[in-house]
Amino acid sequence: GAGVSQSPRYKVTKRGQDVALRCDPISGHVSLYWYRQALGQGPEFLTYFNYEAQQDKSGLPNDRFSAERPEGSISTLTIQRTEQRDSAMYRCASSLARGVDRSREPPPDTQYFGPGTRLTVL
Amino acid sequence: DAKTTQPNSMESNEEEPVHLPCNHSTISGTDYIHWYRQLPSQGPEYVIHGLTSNVNNRMASLAIAEDRKSSTLILHRATLRDAAVYYCTHWGGADGLTFGKGTHLIIQP
Repeated sequence: GAGVSQSPRYKVTKRGQDVALRCDPISGHVSLYWYRQALGQGPEFLTYFNYEAQQDKSGLPNDRFSAERPEGSISTLTIQRTEQRDSAMYRCASSLARGVDRSREPPPDTQYFGPGTRLTVL
Repeated sequence: DAKTTQPNSMESNEEEPVHLPCNHSTISGTDYIHWYRQLPSQGPEYVIHGLTSNVNNRMASLAIAEDRKSSTLILHRATLRDAAVYYCTHWGGADGLTFGKGTHLIIQP
């Protein structure tokens, strides 16, 4: 079936502009995660949702970053007044469920990652 | 703060076994150990997970130390397609995964 999709795949913007990054999770997946990945580093957790409820915003770097998932499916990560340091790969992941039977293989809370959006702020 | 420690890179020959170590000395009693890998230009993908017992699946095996402070991912017969960055993490099911820098696995033909 279809995996996690993200759009746009590439975004170039000028410093000070707002950008919106979209994530379309696997159908039926309850949880959705946003990560940011710098070159040569592992992904860094930003925030996540269960259905439409945002559970944890502590990983968001500052108040210019926000995310929403109004209908519990598609999510948007918005960065306001972009700065050059925001340039990175932004990745979305989704999982079927959380905190359930992890004896299964793969467990239901396995995260499936999308291809990412490469953001470049000039 | 890095929750796990892995070698920066490892090299192996094709069709030989590969043992990728990871230290996770701060793991709590209920955290599962998860391994993901990231192929070039792709997002991370799940490899294997475990709690206390050693685990096998179609991709790999996971050997977990008795004190759970370390684990080893075993690829029984590496192929060129296994060249990737391998991340280990431990996760209690809350928040997101915490990835370190991972181990860059190089496979020589």
